[in-house]
Amino acid sequence: TQLLEQSPQFLSIQEGENLTVYCNSSSVFSSLQWYRQEPGEGPVLLVTVVTGGEVKKLKRLTFQFGDARKDSSLHITAAQPGDTGLYLCAGDKEGTSYGKLTFGQGTILTVHP
Amino acid sequence: DAGVTQSPTHLIKTRGQQVTLRCSPKSGHDTVSWYQQALGQGPQFIFQYYEEEERQRGNFPDRFSGHQFPNYSSELNVNALLLGDSALYLCASSFDYNEGQFFGPGTRLTVL
Repeated sequence: TQLLEQSPQFLSIQEGENLTVYCNSSSVFSSLQWYRQEPGEGPVLLVTVVTGGEVKKLKRLTFQFGDARKDSSLHITAAQPGDTGLYLCAGDKEGTSYGKLTFGQGTILTVHP
Repeated sequence: DAGVTQSPTHLIKTRGQQVTLRCSPKSGHDTVSWYQQALGQGPQFIFQYYEEEERQRGNFPDRFSGHQFPNYSSELNVNALLLGDSALYLCASSFDYNEGQFFGPGTRLTVL
């Protein structure tokens, strides 16, 4: 069983559509991060959220951390082909030392022109 | 400002051999973590180094060992390689809790 469950695993949409990726757990996390990874490259950090209920916006991307710090979501508005990639959520489980990130299995997003 | 760098980019080894991977952290970062990413999966935490000591470790056997140098760079060593060790090995560095971890491009290890 994954500590962090991401859904959906695959997402194929048309340019201009909106989408939401979810990251859920039964455990509480001290912080949660979202990454985007291209094939053959390392994950690129998009955002870190640390406060329950926190919402952060990065251009067309909106990130939310659940009030109980057990879940998070990534919403993309008006998706573009350049958004295509693997999106990963990762977190520091509360009670463990900082930096031992637990990753979800990822969401593969494909945006068609 | 250079980000996290890793070497080599690709490596091919045979079963039973030993391998050393290298990582230089982002400037100003003092903590280095190593992850293993199998194809189609999220990264798995191997261990983390801070002040030249292993601070915490994931569920990996003792065949996986590491080192951190005074300049904060780090090495990952894997002994007695198995076919299942084939993966992308990622190094991440960090300094501030709220800043998050920054990943290098990875080393693609293939064990034949």
